[in-house]
Amino acid sequence: DAGVIQSPRHEVTEMGQEVTLRCKPISGHNSLFWYRQTMMRGLELLIYFNNNVPIDDSGMPEDRFSAKMPNASFSTLKIQPSEPRDSAVYFCASSLEAGGTGVHEQYFGPGTRLTVT
Amino acid sequence: QKEVEQDPGPLSVPEGAIVSLNCTYSNSAFQYFMWYRQYSRKGPELLMYTYSSGNKEDGRFTAQVDKSSKYISLFIRDSQPSDSATYLCAMSRFTGGGNKLTFGTGTQLKVEL
Repeated sequence: DAGVIQSPRHEVTEMGQEVTLRCKPISGHNSLFWYRQTMMRGLELLIYFNNNVPIDDSGMPEDRFSAKMPNASFSTLKIQPSEPRDSAVYFCASSLEAGGTGVHEQYFGPGTRLTVT
Repeated sequence: QKEVEQDPGPLSVPEGAIVSLNCTYSNSAFQYFMWYRQYSRKGPELLMYTYSSGNKEDGRFTAQVDKSSKYISLFIRDSQPSDSATYLCAMSRFTGGGNKLTFGTGTQLKVEL
Protein backbone atom coordinates (compact mmCIF):
# COMPACT_ATOMS: atom_id res chain seq x y z
CA ASP A 1 0.00 0.00 0.00
CA ALA A 2 1.31 3.44 -0.91
CA GLY A 3 0.07 5.06 2.26
CA VAL A 4 -1.40 8.55 2.43
CA ILE A 5 -0.13 10.67 -0.44
CA GLN A 6 0.19 14.44 -0.19
CA SER A 7 1.23 17.00 -2.76
CA PRO A 8 3.11 19.17 -3.08
CA ARG A 9 5.73 18.28 -0.47
CA HIS A 10 6.98 21.86 -0.35
CA GLU A 11 5.24 25.07 -1.30
CA VAL A 12 6.66 28.58 -1.21
CA THR A 13 4.29 31.37 -2.10
CA GLU A 14 3.83 35.07 -1.62
CA MET A 15 1.32 36.64 0.71
CA GLY A 16 -2.05 37.02 -0.92
CA GLN A 17 -1.70 34.08 -3.28
CA GLU A 18 -4.03 31.09 -3.31
CA VAL A 19 -2.58 27.81 -2.07
CA THR A 20 -4.08 24.37 -2.69
CA LEU A 21 -2.87 21.30 -0.84
CA ARG A 22 -3.88 17.82 -1.99
CA CYS A 23 -4.35 14.50 -0.29
CA LYS A 24 -5.07 10.96 -1.39
CA PRO A 25 -6.08 8.77 1.57
CA ILE A 26 -5.40 5.08 1.93
CA SER A 27 -7.80 3.07 -0.20
CA GLY A 28 -10.71 1.75 1.86
CA HIS A 29 -10.38 4.30 4.64
CA ASN A 30 -13.55 6.26 5.35
CA SER A 31 -12.25 9.11 7.50
CA LEU A 32 -9.88 11.89 6.53
CA PHE A 33 -8.26 14.52 8.71
CA TRP A 34 -6.34 17.73 7.95
CA TYR A 35 -3.87 18.90 10.60
CA ARG A 36 -1.50 21.83 10.89
CA GLN A 37 1.77 21.56 12.83
CA THR A 38 3.85 24.46 14.14
CA MET A 39 6.51 24.64 16.81
CA MET A 40 4.41 26.91 18.97
CA ARG A 41 1.02 25.21 18.74
CA GLY A 42 1.94 21.61 17.92
CA LEU A 43 -0.40 19.46 15.86
CA GLU A 44 -3.86 20.96 15.50
CA LEU A 45 -6.88 19.35 13.85
CA LEU A 46 -8.35 21.62 11.19
CA ILE A 47 -11.17 19.53 9.75
CA TYR A 48 -12.41 15.96 9.79
CA PHE A 49 -14.40 14.16 7.08
CA ASN A 50 -16.28 10.91 7.43
CA ASN A 51 -17.58 9.20 4.28
CA ASN A 52 -16.67 12.38 2.35
CA VAL A 53 -18.87 14.57 4.56
CA PRO A 54 -17.32 17.29 6.75
CA ILE A 55 -18.10 16.33 10.33
CA ASP A 56 -16.13 18.86 12.34
CA ASP A 57 -14.53 22.01 10.96
CA SER A 58 -14.24 23.84 14.25
CA GLY A 59 -10.46 23.90 13.91
CA MET A 60 -10.46 25.81 10.63
CA PRO A 61 -8.90 29.11 11.68
CA GLU A 62 -10.70 31.53 9.38
CA ASP A 63 -12.83 31.85 6.29
CA ARG A 64 -9.64 31.99 4.28
CA PHE A 65 -9.38 28.24 4.81
CA SER A 66 -11.65 25.78 3.01
CA ALA A 67 -11.56 22.02 2.49
CA LYS A 68 -13.36 19.68 0.15
CA MET A 69 -13.62 15.97 -0.33
CA PRO A 70 -15.37 15.35 -3.66
CA ASN A 71 -14.85 11.58 -3.49
CA ALA A 72 -13.37 8.89 -1.27
CA SER A 73 -9.93 9.12 -2.83
CA PHE A 74 -9.22 12.84 -2.91
CA SER A 75 -9.33 15.90 -0.70
CA THR A 76 -8.06 19.46 -0.95
CA LEU A 77 -7.27 22.16 1.58
CA LYS A 78 -7.28 25.66 0.13
CA ILE A 79 -6.02 28.90 1.63
CA GLN A 80 -7.09 32.08 -0.09
CA PRO A 81 -5.56 34.59 0.41
CA SER A 82 -2.49 33.18 2.15
CA GLU A 83 -0.67 35.04 4.94
CA PRO A 84 2.80 34.59 6.49
CA ARG A 85 1.23 33.22 9.69
CA ASP A 86 -0.13 30.29 7.67
CA SER A 87 3.43 28.98 7.31
CA ALA A 88 3.43 25.49 8.83
CA VAL A 89 3.50 21.82 7.93
CA TYR A 90 0.10 20.57 6.88
CA PHE A 91 -0.64 16.87 7.37
CA CYS A 92 -3.40 14.75 5.98
CA ALA A 93 -4.33 11.54 7.79
CA SER A 94 -6.84 8.79 7.11
CA SER A 95 -8.39 6.01 9.13
CA LEU A 96 -11.00 3.28 8.92
CA GLU A 97 -13.75 3.98 11.43
CA ALA A 98 -16.01 1.00 11.78
CA GLY A 99 -18.24 2.58 14.38
CA GLY A 100 -18.06 2.58 18.14
CA THR A 101 -15.72 4.45 20.37
CA GLY A 102 -12.56 2.38 20.06
CA VAL A 103 -9.19 3.52 18.80
CA HIS A 104 -9.07 3.99 15.05
CA GLU A 105 -5.46 4.38 14.06
CA GLN A 106 -4.82 7.43 11.96
CA TYR A 107 -2.21 7.05 9.24
CA PHE A 108 -0.42 10.26 8.40
CA GLY A 109 0.98 11.42 5.10
CA PRO A 110 4.45 12.97 4.79
CA GLY A 111 3.08 16.50 5.04
CA THR A 112 3.28 19.66 2.95
CA ARG A 113 5.72 22.28 4.21
CA LEU A 114 4.16 25.66 3.39
CA THR A 115 6.11 28.89 3.50
CA VAL A 116 4.30 32.16 2.86
CA THR A 117 6.59 35.14 2.37
CA GLN B 1 -4.94 26.37 29.47
CA LYS B 2 -4.32 23.69 26.87
CA GLU B 3 -6.22 20.44 27.23
CA VAL B 4 -2.98 18.46 26.88
CA GLU B 5 0.37 19.64 28.20
CA GLN B 6 3.70 18.13 27.19
CA ASP B 7 7.24 19.30 27.89
CA PRO B 8 8.83 20.06 24.49
CA GLY B 9 12.36 19.16 25.59
CA PRO B 10 14.75 18.61 23.94
CA LEU B 11 15.74 15.59 25.97
CA SER B 12 19.19 14.14 25.38
CA VAL B 13 20.18 10.77 26.89
CA PRO B 14 23.04 8.29 26.39
CA GLU B 15 22.42 5.03 24.57
CA GLY B 16 21.03 2.38 26.92
CA ALA B 17 19.34 4.86 29.27
CA ILE B 18 15.75 4.59 30.43
CA VAL B 19 13.67 7.43 29.01
CA SER B 20 10.54 8.81 30.62
CA LEU B 21 8.16 11.00 28.61
CA ASN B 22 5.06 12.51 30.17
CA CYS B 23 1.84 14.36 29.47
CA THR B 24 -0.84 15.85 31.65
CA TYR B 25 -4.39 16.57 30.60
CA SER B 26 -7.38 18.42 31.94
CA ASN B 27 -10.40 16.88 30.20
CA SER B 28 -11.74 13.87 32.08
CA ALA B 29 -13.76 12.88 28.99
CA PHE B 30 -10.67 11.51 27.28
CA GLN B 31 -11.01 7.75 26.92
CA TYR B 32 -8.04 6.52 24.89
CA PHE B 33 -4.44 7.55 25.32
CA MET B 34 -1.91 7.18 22.54
CA TRP B 35 1.73 7.80 21.83
CA TYR B 36 2.85 8.75 18.35
CA ARG B 37 6.44 8.87 17.16
CA GLN B 38 7.51 11.39 14.53
CA TYR B 39 10.85 11.24 12.79
CA SER B 40 12.28 14.41 11.32
CA ARG B 41 10.36 15.58 8.23
CA LYS B 42 7.94 12.65 8.44
CA GLY B 43 4.35 12.25 9.54
CA PRO B 44 3.54 10.89 13.01
CA GLU B 45 3.00 7.13 13.38
CA LEU B 46 1.14 5.36 16.14
CA LEU B 47 3.44 3.67 18.64
CA MET B 48 0.96 2.33 21.19
CA TYR B 49 -2.30 3.10 22.92
CA THR B 50 -4.04 2.35 26.20
CA TYR B 51 -7.60 2.60 27.39
CA SER B 52 -7.73 2.25 31.12
CA SER B 53 -5.47 3.23 33.98
CA GLY B 54 -2.47 0.95 34.37
CA ASN B 55 0.48 -0.22 32.31
CA LYS B 56 0.79 -1.64 28.83
CA GLU B 57 4.06 -3.08 27.60
CA ASP B 58 5.29 -3.60 24.04
CA GLY B 59 8.89 -4.66 23.75
CA ARG B 60 11.11 -1.87 25.10
CA PHE B 61 8.15 0.50 25.42
CA THR B 62 5.75 0.81 28.36
CA ALA B 63 2.75 3.14 28.41
CA GLN B 64 1.28 4.13 31.74
CA VAL B 65 -1.99 5.92 32.46
CA ASP B 66 -3.11 7.40 35.77
CA LYS B 67 -6.61 8.74 35.23
CA SER B 68 -6.97 9.93 38.82
CA SER B 69 -4.01 12.27 38.33
CA LYS B 70 -4.71 12.90 34.63
CA TYR B 71 -1.15 11.91 33.84
CA ILE B 72 0.27 9.58 31.21
CA SER B 73 3.80 8.36 30.63
CA LEU B 74 5.85 6.51 28.05
CA PHE B 75 8.96 4.66 29.19
CA ILE B 76 11.64 3.49 26.79
CA ARG B 77 14.09 0.89 28.10
CA ASP B 78 17.54 0.36 26.66
CA SER B 79 17.17 3.41 24.44
CA GLN B 80 18.80 3.30 21.00
CA PRO B 81 19.93 6.05 18.62
CA SER B 82 17.09 4.92 16.33
CA ASP B 83 14.65 6.06 19.05
CA SER B 84 15.71 9.66 18.38
CA ALA B 85 12.49 11.35 17.30
CA THR B 86 9.69 13.57 18.57
CA TYR B 87 7.14 11.75 20.72
CA LEU B 88 3.61 13.11 20.79
CA CYS B 89 0.97 12.06 23.24
CA ALA B 90 -2.58 12.06 21.93
CA MET B 91 -5.95 11.55 23.55
CA SER B 92 -9.33 10.83 22.12
CA ARG B 93 -12.89 11.26 23.15
CA PHE B 94 -15.95 10.23 21.26
CA THR B 95 -18.05 13.18 20.21
CA GLY B 96 -21.29 13.22 18.33
CA GLY B 97 -19.20 13.63 15.23
CA GLY B 98 -16.82 10.74 15.85
CA ASN B 99 -13.41 10.25 17.41
CA LYS B 100 -11.21 13.33 17.70
CA LEU B 101 -7.59 13.31 18.71
CA THR B 102 -6.03 16.06 20.79
CA PHE B 103 -2.25 16.08 20.61
CA GLY B 104 0.43 17.35 22.93
CA THR B 105 3.08 19.56 21.37
CA GLY B 106 5.62 16.72 21.40
CA THR B 107 8.89 16.02 23.21
CA GLN B 108 12.04 15.90 21.12
CA LEU B 109 14.30 13.01 22.16
CA LYS B 110 17.90 12.46 21.15
CA VAL B 111 19.70 9.26 22.10
CA GLU B 112 23.45 9.73 21.84
CA LEU B 113 26.05 7.04 21.12
